[in-house]
Amino acid sequence: NAGVTQTPKFQVLKTGQSMTLQCAQDMNHNSMYWYRQDPGMGLRLIYYSASEGTTDKGEVPNGYNVSRLNKREFSLRLESAAPSQTSVYFCASRIGTEQETQYFGPGTRLLVL
Amino acid sequence: AQSVTQLDSQVPVFEEAPVELRCNYSSSVSVYLFWYVQYPNQGLQLLLKYLSGSTLVESINGFEAEFNKSQTSFHLRKPSVHISDTAEYFCAVRDFGNEKLTFGTGTRLTIIP
Repeated sequence: NAGVTQTPKFQVLKTGQSMTLQCAQDMNHNSMYWYRQDPGMGLRLIYYSASEGTTDKGEVPNGYNVSRLNKREFSLRLESAAPSQTSVYFCASRIGTEQETQYFGPGTRLLVL
Repeated sequence: AQSVTQLDSQVPVFEEAPVELRCNYSSSVSVYLFWYVQYPNQGLQLLLKYLSGSTLVESINGFEAEFNKSQTSFHLRKPSVHISDTAEYFCAVRDFGNEKLTFGTGTRLTIIP
């Protein structure tokens, strides 16, 4: 049981390049989330998916797109990376029942030059 | 909309001394409250949570937090800290029936030998 896994662990991009961050969970969770973490700002929600086939915007969705490929996988795409997207990205999942909490992946460190 | 305030961005404490990390929240509805810990270069791990019932909740490594509805607070305490407690601590809140978890900006706990 690996929990929540994220790939890649590190990535350097040039401004304007695109990339997809991958997230998978093996806990049969219904809900999945993407956050970004910046110094002094805590974690901010980018997008989430309450169930397979649905996605919704969070607090900071601009510049990102997501795909809930199946129940296990939830990917985050940067179509045209900008230096402001330099951050640490965390994926999380939750079974979806009312009182259960979120479980986090190890993160992806992204640098946009 | 829900929000979380962690007033102390950094807290230095001598080893074996007590510590309190403050967290205040605002919400118009009933909430669930969480403390997460992030060790250097790792993802977030759930430390403890308040869902209902007893307002005092404890973790397995000696931390405790008390839900105070009248003061809308959920402060984290430990009577005697260890070097291994060095980490960043995040308070988070989720409204009843809401998918979204809102994080505070975090408190970096530094233990002084």
